[in-house]
Amino acid sequence: GENVEQHPSTLSVQEGDSAVIKCTYSDSASNYFPWYKQELGKRPQLIIDIRSNVGEKKDQRIAVTLNKTAKHFSLHITETQPEDSAVYFCVARGYGQNFVFGPGTRLSVLP
Amino acid sequence: NAGVTQTPKFRILKIGQSMTLQCAQDMNHNYMYWYRQDPGMGLKLIYYSVGAGITDKGEVPNGYNVSRSTTEDFPLRLELAAPSQTSVYFCASSSQSITGELFFGEGSRLTVL
Repeated sequence: GENVEQHPSTLSVQEGDSAVIKCTYSDSASNYFPWYKQELGKRPQLIIDIRSNVGEKKDQRIAVTLNKTAKHFSLHITETQPEDSAVYFCVARGYGQNFVFGPGTRLSVLP
Repeated sequence: NAGVTQTPKFRILKIGQSMTLQCAQDMNHNYMYWYRQDPGMGLKLIYYSVGAGITDKGEVPNGYNVSRSTTEDFPLRLELAAPSQTSVYFCASSSQSITGELFFGEGSRLTVL
């Protein structure tokens, strides 16, 4: 089955700096890659997603890139703010398959 | 539109007791899931369902049972609770579309003493 790895497990950045989280997946059949943000004590919520026929997608300060050949995808957050502090999960899914979550990255944005 | 509703939000059980976590969604989603999240950890899939009458095991099914008699409801049953089942449980649902968003309930915090 699918296996998703995620790095780093923790990340601290200064407010205004950029943050990058990288993930790899194992199943070449996976073709949908959402990212979820989970604030402390809250439920995970979708922040951005990308499909396998797209290499990059941007939404304001957040961007995702996908390299299907290398089975890598990444989340980029620019101009980080304290409210970006949370745990971020990368996810891979293929048609008819379950959502497979990475282990998460705890991002701390220091004021 | 309530989305995914879970009850109860909090529960304390004694070892050996049983209980059912309720989950309902009003988005007409075929796919429903139960995850558990231990403190500081990621999400592990317990059981999932692709439609009424169909359920299947996920990564960590031992000690749990599910049923899916309707599209809307997907209860999770804990039999003979153990301290290892202390966790936060999330129910989620999605459409059949490959790009269908996974919607989560607010979670149920269970403590087994």
